[in-house]
Amino acid sequence: AQKITQTQPGMFVQEKEAVTLDCTYDTSDPSYGLFWYKQPSSGEMIFLIYQGSYDQQNATEGRYSLNFQKARKSANLVISASQLGDSAMYFCAMREVYNFNKFYFGSGTKLNVKP
Amino acid sequence: ETGVTQTPRHLVMGMTNKKSLKCEQHLGHNAMYWYKQSAKKPLELMFVYNFKEQTENNSVPSRFSPECPNSSHLFLHLHTLQPEDSALYLCASSQDDREERAFFGQGTRLTVV
Repeated sequence: AQKITQTQPGMFVQEKEAVTLDCTYDTSDPSYGLFWYKQPSSGEMIFLIYQGSYDQQNATEGRYSLNFQKARKSANLVISASQLGDSAMYFCAMREVYNFNKFYFGSGTKLNVKP
Repeated sequence: ETGVTQTPRHLVMGMTNKKSLKCEQHLGHNAMYWYKQSAKKPLELMFVYNFKEQTENNSVPSRFSPECPNSSHLFLHLHTLQPEDSALYLCASSQDDREERAFFGQGTRLTVV
């Protein structure tokens, strides 16, 4: 079974609007971390936001927020007020603490922001 | 500038060549990683080094040989590669191998011909 599932290979959003990128995960590890990374066309992976499995509140970092629904095993990324520079690939990832800290990445979502 | 520098940015090599990828981090981190990103596939963890010791080898073929001479430098030595090894190779570092937040380099785009 896939550890991280991103069902949206590509998304379009109008500039200044909000967009939600979906991510579901599969783990039996009681302690895990969830991450979102942005990969622009230049190639580097840029850390955006982190959510710990025991965190009670949803993580927020500027225009990024993580909608963490533990029972549904989902960790959707919400980008508010989209900007043209947000056009990139976005990867959801999970780290299982008790599984030798294995790091799993999803297949990514290509976000295009339209002017 | 993320603090993790990879060279070269692009590499084309024949199947009989020997080449090396270099990664350098200026963040004072103790853990370094090699990832492979193939087209339309999730990132695959290849190797993990923590305090210069290899702590994970994710069933990587022996034609890929990592080297970590110190906590700031990580190499990936390549020899007799196959065309299917063409991919983006990303290096990352973190404070230690239990640190969630990893910083990535810009990657080396490798093409094997």
